[in-house]
Amino acid sequence: KNQVEQSPQSLIILEGKNCTLQCNYTVSPFSNLRWYKQDTGRGPVSLTIMTFSENTKSNGRYTATLDADTKQSSLHITASQLSDSASYICVVYGNTDKLIFGTGTRLQVFP
Amino acid sequence: GAGVSQSPSNKVTEKGKDVELRCDPISGHTALYWYRQSLGQGLEFLIYFQGNSAPDKSGLPSDRFSAERTGGSVSTLTIQRTQQEDSAVYLCASSPQGGPTPYEQYFGPGTRLTVT
Repeated sequence: KNQVEQSPQSLIILEGKNCTLQCNYTVSPFSNLRWYKQDTGRGPVSLTIMTFSENTKSNGRYTATLDADTKQSSLHITASQLSDSASYICVVYGNTDKLIFGTGTRLQVFP
Repeated sequence: GAGVSQSPSNKVTEKGKDVELRCDPISGHTALYWYRQSLGQGLEFLIYFQGNSAPDKSGLPSDRFSAERTGGSVSTLTIQRTQQEDSAVYLCASSPQGGPTPYEQYFGPGTRLTVT
């Protein structure tokens, strides 16, 4: 069964600290993996897209890694800001036109 | 340019009524997707359009759900005889092209549907 699991479910950190979010997937075959940021009441916004041949991709303070062998990905946020408070969703794209979504990690950044 | 827009932003309806949700994709995007996000749950794929045709309808939860797209642009998602379990945020996304290529999907703000 194609699944995407994320951990932790929720996370609280202080402003300025770093954090890492995890994503494990069982989707096969695999085409690409995406990380989205979803602010409360808004639609998801893409942060990174990685194909199976890419190991890392950065977007500002966000760095995503991918290990296609172990089917794991991580999203590292550096020097967190209050505006980073959101849900972060890992999404895997198989070989059909269908995305498999994780349930997300709810991140709260406090001053 | 304008992003993906959805209307209405909020809809409250009585159980048993029909509702229509609208999505206006980014101009020129050929692929359009509908998703559902229930409270505390991840996004659930409903249906995908490439142009006006829907190659994948496998995510529609029941025959009460249908969708159409006209002119390769606007799409409507119709839910007939709504049930309380239909309450969710319905998100629409568009992409320059569909298929298993890493084209970015751009999401609209969603329609929050509440069935009382």
